[in-house]
Amino acid sequence: GIQVEQSPPDLILQEGANSTLRCNFSDSVNNLQWFHQNPWGQLINLFYIPSGTKQNGRLSATTVATERYSLLYISSSQTTDSGVYFCAVLMKTSYDKVIFGPGTSLSVIP
Amino acid sequence: NAGVTQTPKFRVLKTGQSMTLLCAQDMNHEYMYWYRQDPGMGLRLIHYSVGEGTTAKGEVPDGYNVSRLKKQNFLLGLESAAPSQTSVYFCAIHPGGSRNTIYFGEGSWLTVV
Repeated sequence: GIQVEQSPPDLILQEGANSTLRCNFSDSVNNLQWFHQNPWGQLINLFYIPSGTKQNGRLSATTVATERYSLLYISSSQTTDSGVYFCAVLMKTSYDKVIFGPGTSLSVIP
Repeated sequence: NAGVTQTPKFRVLKTGQSMTLLCAQDMNHEYMYWYRQDPGMGLRLIHYSVGEGTTAKGEVPDGYNVSRLKKQNFLLGLESAAPSQTSVYFCAIHPGGSRNTIYFGEGSWLTVV
């Protein structure tokens, strides 16, 4: 079946540190998004990025579609960055199903 | 989460009771999804719909039914609730086509005792 993997599963950072989160997927994708789930459970869109690189403030993302992975970079982390980061994909072979990875749980400590 | 409204937001059920969760959208999107999220885990797809009058099974459909009688509403039903269905339920919408953003509702917390 379709596989979406994320690493690392858990990450603890000191405030101000940088980090890289990874999403691997098993098949070609039409759509890839990164979400942040805050401690209150709300899912927030970060990036829509099926290919290429995007930046939004301290966050940036790169997807290399041919190699089937995406990276989310967080620079100068803040405590408000804590939460779970999910990638979600819409596969070319199953275009109507949005499949989520298991997430990376990030804790930023002061 | 503008445009996707889930009701109710919180509910406690007794085992064997039935209930319906409503997802309502005002963005005229074709695709609608119901996910469940258990503690410390990712989102698993229960059922989805690619248009009015259509439904399809996702990864974990057992114990749930759905209906999409109107384009803007997607209903998730539990006919006989079980403690294993205690979870947070999220609705998502998507306009269809490959290059568009997915939007989520704020979640519905369901506890079955």
